[in-house]
Amino acid sequence: DGGITQSPKYLFRKEGQNVTLSCEQNLNHDAMYWYRQDPGQGLRLIYYSQIVNDFQKGDIAEGYSVSREKKESFPLTVTSAQKNPTAFYLCASRGDNNQPQHFGDGTRLSIL
Amino acid sequence: AQSVTQLGSHVSVSEGALVLLRCNYSSSVPPYLFWYVQYPNQGLQLLLKYTTGATLVKGINGFEAEFKKSETSFHLTKPSAHMSDAAEYFCAVDGNTGKLIFGQGTTLQVKP
Repeated sequence: DGGITQSPKYLFRKEGQNVTLSCEQNLNHDAMYWYRQDPGQGLRLIYYSQIVNDFQKGDIAEGYSVSREKKESFPLTVTSAQKNPTAFYLCASRGDNNQPQHFGDGTRLSIL
Repeated sequence: AQSVTQLGSHVSVSEGALVLLRCNYSSSVPPYLFWYVQYPNQGLQLLLKYTTGATLVKGINGFEAEFKKSETSFHLTKPSAHMSDAAEYFCAVDGNTGKLIFGQGTTLQVKP
């Protein structure tokens, strides 16, 4: 079945450590997105990519980095510069413009 | 710029009662509108979408929404609530920017 796979489901980070969240899709979608979700704040866009080897900052990009070397993959790195990384992170992808985004099941990141 | 406002962060209904979740949008171009549902610790699942054509849109699980351009609204309804409908619901708009703009979400509680 086609879909989006996020791994791991739960992730713990130590202070000062970078961690990378994986997002893989087999839907042949061009566009991919990373969102952060905090209680009561809806979804906030971190980064998005509309084509391989290109990506744009979203609303809250500080402390995060991404790469898009392959169409199927859009990993997100939470750097030590992100002072409040505890959140639920969602990856999404989309095919044609104005079509709905498809979401993965999320990764919950916590600080040790 | 596009924006979405969901009226009411929490809505409580009795099982079997009408569900009405409100969404108003702002868009400078004809909008594409979506409703998503999210169950705890899961990603977002598409309920329904409005792109063009018929203004009354039917979705999964018995939900439907009506696009009213004059009122800039896209309210979500279901005639009879079921316990399994308890979840968080997000309205989103795409104004042809490559990004979706999400509302803050509405948590639906269904009482037995």
